[in-house]
Amino acid sequence: GAGVSQSPRYKVAKRGQDVALRCDPISGHVSLFWYQQALGQGPEFLTYFQNEAQLDKSGLPSDRFFAERPEGSVSTLKIQRTQQEDSAVYLCASTIGAGGAQSEQYFGPGTRLTVT
Amino acid sequence: AQSVSQHNHHVILSEAASLELGCNYSYGGTVNLFWYVQYPGQHLQLLLKYFSGDPLVKGIKGFEAEFIKSKFSFNLRKPSVQWSDTAEYFCAVRGQFYFGTGTSLTVIP
Repeated sequence: GAGVSQSPRYKVAKRGQDVALRCDPISGHVSLFWYQQALGQGPEFLTYFQNEAQLDKSGLPSDRFFAERPEGSVSTLKIQRTQQEDSAVYLCASTIGAGGAQSEQYFGPGTRLTVT
Repeated sequence: AQSVSQHNHHVILSEAASLELGCNYSYGGTVNLFWYVQYPGQHLQLLLKYFSGDPLVKGIKGFEAEFIKSKFSFNLRKPSVQWSDTAEYFCAVRGQFYFGTGTSLTVIP
């Protein structure tokens, strides 16, 4: 497809379960970003990859959150031992170039995670 | 600390009314400013951006924004809104990927 895709679109997890969220960026895009968007809030930065290198993970809220992009394309955001406060929409975005400050981000539809 | 403030959380306008959405930022470095829009059921997409040069930037669908450095502001404007402009609008500072909390715009036909 031409855009950023994410799967699953919806995920319900029981508290304590592990979840894995997938992002397929636009083909050839160098940079990939993950954001967390709580209800009524703007996207909050989680982490950023340039190719397979994770250059910034300062936004990850705890060590239960882990992201990877092993081959520089698809990325997975993993949340271990989910808590209710993890309930949010998780957005993935990609940019064509390296570095994030000036490049337009192309966003995926998001994965809505509900922890019960 | 870096932050982005959007003071209008929910705006309701009639068609043809003029629009101005406020955005103020606090960031000590070089600012790259963006406005993104999310139409109902759609992805976030770029409306316009400012890096340098002319502080008045024009974006898609008749939107424009003015960067006023002395006021740390980057307000979004449109002279005459349409029903199709109903959406969520986000201001962003990309020095560290910061987004505002968003403004929900409802345009009444």
